[in-house]
Amino acid sequence: NAGVMQNPRHLVRRRGQEARLRCSPMKGHSHVYWYRQLPEEGLKFMVYLQKENIIDESGMPKERFSAEFPKEGPSILRIQQVVRGDSAAYFCASSPFEGGNEKLFFGSGTQLSVL
Amino acid sequence: KQEVTQIPAALSVPEGENLVLNCSFTDSAIYNLQWFRQDPGKGLTSLLLIQSSQREQTSGRLNASLDKSSGRSTLYIAASQPGDSATYLCAVFTGGGNKLTFGTGTQLKVEL
Repeated sequence: NAGVMQNPRHLVRRRGQEARLRCSPMKGHSHVYWYRQLPEEGLKFMVYLQKENIIDESGMPKERFSAEFPKEGPSILRIQQVVRGDSAAYFCASSPFEGGNEKLFFGSGTQLSVL
Repeated sequence: KQEVTQIPAALSVPEGENLVLNCSFTDSAIYNLQWFRQDPGKGLTSLLLIQSSQREQTSGRLNASLDKSSGRSTLYIAASQPGDSATYLCAVFTGGGNKLTFGTGTQLKVEL
């Protein structure tokens, strides 16, 4: 059973371009979380999704950021018109259960660098 | 708003020493608390999960305790090894928000 897979591992974008980050949860997991780790800061929650539904997006910036978790395929975190402040490590985690009473399994992250 | 604090921010110890990492949180209404390990440039590995009804969990040389009423947890590492060098993160799960709130971590270095 493969772990949580994130790609790409490293993504370089110029200011104004779009960044698409992908996350494939562990097999059998239907709950996906995205977290962002800014330099010298802790991980911050962004969004929680179940298949085809956004459950909690309270940590996601209102503009330029969007997330989806379609019925088929990976979860996508999309950042439009990237700025230098978006440079960070973006981590995805998955769980088979709602409520988080089980461990969350994290991917290795995508390091986004905005030039 | 839940806030999680970890002390110390960094720690350097000689190999073989027993050590304690501390975590405190402001809102005691948690579902569980997890300790993670993060290696440079890599993802997070869950080490121990303590449910709110539990007092401690053990895995190998690791022991984590939880005092929910006082908002504290400790991670005890016995007989530390250089391979234990990493950043250790504490996170609490607040069910109402369906999300983990992380501390900023303790960066541990175990020297030969």
